[in-house]
Amino acid sequence: EDQVTQSPEALRLQEGESSSLNCSYTVSGLRGLFWYRQDPGKGPEFLFTLYSAGEEKEKERLKATLTKKESFLHITAPKPEDSATYLCAVQANNAGNMLTFGGGTRLMVKP
Amino acid sequence: DAGVIQSPRHEVTEMGQEVTLRCKPISGHDYLFWYRQTMMRGLELLIYFNNNVPIDDSGMPEDRFSAKMPNASFSTLKIQPSEPRDSAVYFCASSPPPGTSGRISYNEQFFGPGTRLTVL
Repeated sequence: EDQVTQSPEALRLQEGESSSLNCSYTVSGLRGLFWYRQDPGKGPEFLFTLYSAGEEKEKERLKATLTKKESFLHITAPKPEDSATYLCAVQANNAGNMLTFGGGTRLMVKP
Repeated sequence: DAGVIQSPRHEVTEMGQEVTLRCKPISGHDYLFWYRQTMMRGLELLIYFNNNVPIDDSGMPEDRFSAKMPNASFSTLKIQPSEPRDSAVYFCASSPPPGTSGRISYNEQFFGPGTRLTVL
């Protein structure tokens, strides 16, 4: 069974204080790993897809990396508007178009 | 494009009543997904369709839940009878055919704003 574990569950940062969010996964053949951002009262919003170990993608202050067992979402010099819940999900080769989500990391950035 | 549209945005009902949630996917997307999100269990896939056909409904909690997709632009999730433990936010998502070129990423899912269901 595919499993996704995110840590920490919650993270408080001061504005400008860089950090990383972790997503550990077990999957029978990874087709893709997805990162989403979710703001309160809204649906998840797509950020990145990573397909193979060693791949990296960047968007503004966010950078996602992938290894064979985990993915990191690095946040450089965060701003209060980066506060949100960040969700990680995996798609297995034999799972059709299904995603298995982790529990998320709730990020709070204080000014 | 308006994105995935869900209605109603909020629903409050009493135990035992029938509840119907509605979803309009993004035009051209041939996959549609229904998810449920709670604090305890996170985001769970209930069922998904491909070209209006249900592909995997193993996440549907029990027979009280049913989903239909009569055409490419409309889907419903029905709960009958509803129970307090069904209270959650229900999301609909859609995605394009695998391997679509251009800006849209392979297999990316686009989520609607959700329906917050409260069963008293």
